Order: sequence, then C-alpha cells, then structure tokens
Amino acid sequence: QQQVKQSPQSLIVQKGGISIINCAYENTAFDYFPWYQQFPGKGPALLIAIRPDVSEKKEGRFTISFNKSAKQFSLHIMDSQPGDSATYFCAASRGGYQKVTFGTGTKLQVIP
Amino acid sequence: KAGVTQTPRYLIKTRGQQVTLSCSPISGHRSVSWYQQTPGQGLQFLFEYFSETQRNKGNFPGRFSGRQFSNSRSEMNVSTLELGDSALYLCASSLAPGGDSPLHFGNGTRLTVT
Repeated sequence: QQQVKQSPQSLIVQKGGISIINCAYENTAFDYFPWYQQFPGKGPALLIAIRPDVSEKKEGRFTISFNKSAKQFSLHIMDSQPGDSATYFCAASRGGYQKVTFGTGTKLQVIP
Repeated sequence: KAGVTQTPRYLIKTRGQQVTLSCSPISGHRSVSWYQQTPGQGLQFLFEYFSETQRNKGNFPGRFSGRQFSNSRSEMNVSTLELGDSALYLCASSLAPGGDSPLHFGNGTRLTVT
C-alpha cells in the first residue's frame, strides 16, 4: 500500500528532446507528490511538487501531469539539456507524521 | 542560509563495529529525517525526529537508531555493522514534520563496511 513504482530505471534522451518519467502509487490517502533531482555526489533537491486537486503543474521546462483516477503521475522535461542529466526520484506522502515514500529513481542522461 | 550539513562525508568500518553519523539541519528546521540510499533500492526511510521525539520509523532492524538534540541536530547510530549496511546515508530537514513539508537533503555520508 505504501509503494511508489517508478519507470524507467534509466533514460537516454537527445538534447532538445522530451524526457518522460512515470510513477504509480497505491495508497489513495497520498496527497502530496514531489519530484526530487539528484546530481552525483549531492543529496536530492526538491524540483517540483503537485497536490491531487490539480491535473498539471508547470515550472519552466518541468511539468508534472497527475491522473488521480489511474493513480499515476509523471514528470516531463521539455527541451532536455545535458545539465538535466541526473537521477530523478518521484515521491508520495500524506500530511501529519507520515513518512515520504520514494520511487526507486530514474537515471537520465541527455546527450548532445 | 547554510544548508544541511552531514559529517563525516566518508566512513570505512569493519563488520561488527558501530558507527555514528551526524546531521545539522537548516537553521529553524525542527524536523530531521534519515534515509538509506542504495543502487536499485532508491531512498529507504529510516526515521524522523521532531522536537527530540521519534515521530516515525521505517522497516529497519533495531541496530539502526537515532536521536535528536534540543538544537535540532541529529545523530544516527548503527551497531554491529553488516556488509549490507554499506550505503549512502542521507539526512533531510524540514520546517515541519510529516510528508507534505519539503525535504532539504544534505550531501550524505558514504559508509563502506568491509
């Protein structure tokens, strides 16, 4: 019930292309869905987050699409750049004293 | 504002030993969480502390323990180390406890058990 399944495990995209990472959750009580970006040697950093009352949130080249009925959400990176090469983690949680459940991560490589 | 500071950055220990990792949260953040990161497993939640009290605990054996001090700094202890404990241990602080407060991660402590 607490799992968040993330795919693909790795992704290679050409510069200028669209990177898409998908996540699915089981627990319908989750009400906060953040994405974290991690560069080698660094800790993850919050990239963008969404709540289930909206179906899409956009910040610059990064967009979260959320499908509540399918219990799925995805990260789209438009015009992908080599500097976007990192590992991306989706996550889900509830308010209160509840832990954040992370996906297993997607290693994105953007090639010139 | 200084970020989350974790010390040490690297540790090499032998099976059976114990280890203590330290985390200083962002000033004003009272919640500290610990995560274990391994390839293929992602980030596994260890525990969360708020106001010196453990508020939530993950599915790790009792060899993993932690505490939080009155200044919100936190330590994590692993006793009787096993080879499988080799991982990157990440500390994250947040303004409030619970799942919907953004986490601010440190750069982690890389533990190698030989």
